[in-house]
Parts: sequence; C-alpha cells; structure tokens
Amino acid sequence: SAVISQKPSRDICQRGTSLTIQCQVDSQVTMMFWYRQQPGQSLTLIATANQGSEATYESGFVIDKFPISRPNLTFSTLTVSNMSPEDSSIYLCSVAGRNTGELFFGEGSRLTVL
Amino acid sequence: QKEVEQNSGPLSVPEGAIASLNCTYSDRGSQSFFWYRQYSGKSPELIMFIYSNGDKEDGRFTAQLNKASQYVSLLIRDSQPSDSATYLCAVKGAGNMLTFGGGTRLMVKP
Repeated sequence: SAVISQKPSRDICQRGTSLTIQCQVDSQVTMMFWYRQQPGQSLTLIATANQGSEATYESGFVIDKFPISRPNLTFSTLTVSNMSPEDSSIYLCSVAGRNTGELFFGEGSRLTVL
Repeated sequence: QKEVEQNSGPLSVPEGAIASLNCTYSDRGSQSFFWYRQYSGKSPELIMFIYSNGDKEDGRFTAQLNKASQYVSLLIRDSQPSDSATYLCAVKGAGNMLTFGGGTRLMVKP
C-alpha cells in the first residue's frame, strides 16, 4: 500500500479565510481522490485529481469553493475557500490500490472553522 | 442514486463474542466490496475486500457476500475491546468509484 502524508493534520480557522491541504504520496499514482467526512458522518467524495488535467468534481462540490492542484504524479493540494463553520470536517486524501481497486487514505486533516 | 446502507449502531457485544456487521447496496452492477475500520480521530483502514459470492476469511474476520440479495457482511470472531471502532462498508460500481455507507459503530465490552 502507498504511504500518504497530509498536512496540516489539524487547524483552527477563522470564518472567511481559506486553507490549503497538501497530500504527498510515496509513489506515482494516476488519480488522487479528496474526501470529506463531516462530524459523525461517512465519507463523501469531493473530487478526483488527475495529473495534467482539471479535477473532476462530484455533485454538490464546485471548483471555486474547493480548488485542487495536481502538479505531478505524487502530490496534490485541496483548498477550502471562504470557509464557514459548515466546512468543519476531516478532509482525506486517498489513492487507489494497484490490483484490487481499494482506496488507501492519508491521516486526514481536521479543520475547525470558528 | 447508488446507496450503501448500514445500521449506525452502536452494536454492543461482549468480549469473545462474534460481532456481525451488515451492509446492503442498491447498485446491482457493483463488483467489489470493501470493509474499512475507523478508530475515533483516525482515517479509515482497509481490513477486508471481497469480489465473489460466498465467504472470505482472514484471521478473525470473515466477509460474506450475497449478490442476489445485494448484501455484504463482516463477522468478527473472538471480539476484543481493541475492535471497538466504526466499520465502513464501501462498494465499487461500474464507474470505479467507491461509495461508502454511513458506518456501524461497534463497542466490545470487557
């Protein structure tokens, strides 16, 4: 399985500000996925980040709110823009396994918006 | 809309008992099924996957799949307090994306 590092691991943010989460993988991967897990909820896919092309966003998520970069095959960033308390969540970066299609997750970034 | 349903729990079992976690899914085209364990404050970790109808065993864990009934389960034998966590069922459809259930919280009491 891949080793996935995320930072920051947690942060407390003020309403109206933006925060960028970084995700580094120890091997080259075609697709990286960004999930959100709101308190007490399951995981919801925000977008799929492909190297060299625009990210693909799921219904309910838009690029202006969650811009994503994917400059190379081992790194991606997710920005949470103009944050409100409703954005308080854990944000998880993930990559797919090579053979079985499962996902492996980073440690997550826990954001609290005041 | 593709759905994956789990009882949120909590499911409480005594130490040493068998814990049975259940999951149903709506997409008949689903091909792969995964169970993740998530400790409080941690990210999900994969514990089992299953593709074919029947049972798949790995140590104390057994995954069971019944595609006709659109049902997948996870059995944990000899449950330990360290098994206390939220268990997430995930289903991979034809679109290659994983859809997660809401998770079942398991509590194993000493």
